[in-house]
Amino acid sequence: EAAVTQSPRSKVAVTGGKVTLSCHQTNNHDYMYWYRQDTGHGLRLIHYSYVADSTEKGDIPDGYKASRPSQENFSLILELASLSQTAVYFCASSDLVNQDTQYFGPGTRLLVL
Amino acid sequence: AQSVTQPDARVTVSEGASLQLRCKYSYSGTPYLFWYVQYQRQGLQLLLKYYSGDPVVQGVNGFEAEFSKSDSSFHLRKASVHWSDSAVYFCAASWLVASSSFSKLVFGQGTSLSVVP
Repeated sequence: EAAVTQSPRSKVAVTGGKVTLSCHQTNNHDYMYWYRQDTGHGLRLIHYSYVADSTEKGDIPDGYKASRPSQENFSLILELASLSQTAVYFCASSDLVNQDTQYFGPGTRLLVL
Repeated sequence: AQSVTQPDARVTVSEGASLQLRCKYSYSGTPYLFWYVQYQRQGLQLLLKYYSGDPVVQGVNGFEAEFSKSDSSFHLRKASVHWSDSAVYFCAASWLVASSSFSKLVFGQGTSLSVVP
C-alpha cells in the first residue's frame, strides 16, 4: 500500500544520455518534490510542484527538468546526464496545509558513468 | 541563509543505552522543526515535529526531542535504544518562502546511528 512509488529503483546511465525518473503518489496530495541525496549531505530540493502542469525550481535545479502531467505523477528529467549527477533521488508528496509533513518514496539510485 | 547542522556524522551506542542526537538551526525567527528517520534503502519517515508550545515533543517508538530557542537547537533523545533503531536520522526545519505560500523543508546532513550489542 506504498503511497509514493518511484521507478526505476536503480539505474546506470552514460554521460550525455537522457534519464527520466518517475514518481507516482496515491495520497491525493497537491505538492510533490524531487530531492537528491549525496553521501554525507542531507537532502537538497531540485524541483517541486503544487499543481498539475506546473513546476517550480528548488535550490539546485541546474541540469534538471521536471514534469507534472497529473496530480499523481511527477517526473525528473536529466537531458544530458553528467558524472556529478550520480546520487540517490527521492520523490515526496505533501498536502497543501501540512506542506512540511512530507511522505517519501523509497528512492532511485542513479549511477552515471 | 537558513541552515540546519547536525555535528555528528556517526554515532555508535550500545543496546539499552540512552541516546542524544544533536541538531542546531540557523534562522532569525523560529522555524517548524522535524526529525525524520531513514532505514536502510528506504525513504524518509517522520519521527516527530515541533510547531509551538511545550518544548518537549514526543514521537514514535519512544523518541522525543527538545526545542531550545536560546540555543537554537532541537536535539533528539531516546531513553533506551534497540538494535532496530539503527538508521540515519535527519533533522529538518521549514520556513515560509517570502512572497509565496511555499513552506520549504531544509535538511541537516544526517547522523548515522549504529546500535551495537
